[in-house]
Amino acid sequence: QKEVEQNSGPLSVPEGAIASLNCTYSDRVSQSFFWYRQYSGKSPELIMSIYSNGDKEDGRFTAQLNKASQYVSLLIRDSQPSDSATYLCAVNGGSSGGYQKVTFGIGTKLQVIP
Amino acid sequence: DAEITQSPRHKITETGRQVTLACHQTWNHNNMFWYRQDLGHGLRLIHYSYGVQDTNKGEVSDGYSVSRSNTEDLPLTLESAASSQTSVYFCASSPGTTDTQYFGPGTRLTVL
Repeated sequence: QKEVEQNSGPLSVPEGAIASLNCTYSDRVSQSFFWYRQYSGKSPELIMSIYSNGDKEDGRFTAQLNKASQYVSLLIRDSQPSDSATYLCAVNGGSSGGYQKVTFGIGTKLQVIP
Repeated sequence: DAEITQSPRHKITETGRQVTLACHQTWNHNNMFWYRQDLGHGLRLIHYSYGVQDTNKGEVSDGYSVSRSNTEDLPLTLESAASSQTSVYFCASSPGTTDTQYFGPGTRLTVL
């Protein structure tokens, strides 16, 4: 079982729709959760971080965390073609030799269709 | 503005050669990381450092080494390049072990 699982996609949504990206993780002691956006040929950039159960909103983006279900999601409202990218889920937590391990999922490719 | 840079951005080398990829950050972050990114595998951690003179192995460290002589730099060395090390390499830094990681622009390495 992979530690951080994402559907690789592509996830296609029409412009203006809500895109829903999902991620599950296996380590129950995980503490911090991140969503990165990566455009083709570019480096990952942080969109959202979330540390406690519930929703966190930032503009058109909402991160949702459910630690009991070991599930984190990212909603993008009013999707734009410029949102077309790969979205990486990252989970930070769970000590191993003093290192708080950060594990990345393989990413979900989002395509927003004009 | 503070930033993180990597050089070279593209590198082609031959099997068996030693290669060093540079990473430099001006944020004064204590923590620095090297990842490789391959299709189907996502980002995998190679080595990381929590400060000067501190280095640690990640999940795919075989064939790679790092050294940390100052806060700003964490060079990654491929001791004897292999074709399996063809990849895109990202350096990242963060101010603390639970904080966001900030990524450099990446180095695309091809080993022939």
